[in-house]
Amino acid sequence: AQSVAQPEDQVNVAEGNPLTVKCTYSVSGNPYLFWYVQYPNRGLQFLLKYITGDNLVKGSYGFEAEFNKSQTSFHLKKPSALVSDSALYFCAVRDMTRNFNKFYFGSGTKLNVKP
Amino acid sequence: ETGVTQTPRHLVMGMTNKKSLKCEQHLGHNAMYWYKQSAKKPLELMFVYSLEERVENNSVPSRFSPECPNSSHLFLHLHTLQPEDSALYLCASSQGGTRQFFGPGTRLTVL
Repeated sequence: AQSVAQPEDQVNVAEGNPLTVKCTYSVSGNPYLFWYVQYPNRGLQFLLKYITGDNLVKGSYGFEAEFNKSQTSFHLKKPSALVSDSALYFCAVRDMTRNFNKFYFGSGTKLNVKP
Repeated sequence: ETGVTQTPRHLVMGMTNKKSLKCEQHLGHNAMYWYKQSAKKPLELMFVYSLEERVENNSVPSRFSPECPNSSHLFLHLHTLQPEDSALYLCASSQGGTRQFFGPGTRLTVL
């Protein structure tokens, strides 16, 4: 079965410090992995994706994510957090067993960046 | 913005009402989705349309009825809803198995 887990409901970090938002996955075959961000009263916005290639993927707004096959993880990172990064973050994986596009999402992690 | 629009943005309805949510995309995508977002729960995939054909229905109650008249439009018809159906309903589209583009959502409150 395909699934995504985000073990932390909330992550608190001070502005300027590095941040990590965790994600682990379970898929059949090679995973297509995604991170999205949701600001209040908005839909989800794409941050980055991993399909193949380098394990370190760079995305929007200075975010990056590291794909670790042995640990089945795809943690989101940023070297220096901004207050404006405070939002809800979702990890997602594409179901590769279907012949149409189906995605599984985690429950989301709320990131709080304090000044 | 993402190129996916949803109307209305907010909806309050009684349990006996009938209403519809509308989603529109002009990105040329061939797949469209309805998700339900409730607090502290994973996004719940409700329906998937691929090339205007419904290909996924995740055991959604019949009080939710989707309609995809063409590749650019997706509707979610609502009738005799329950208070537990109150949530943010998100529409998304995609093409080629890569990223999804989401609309801003409709905040639904069922009284």
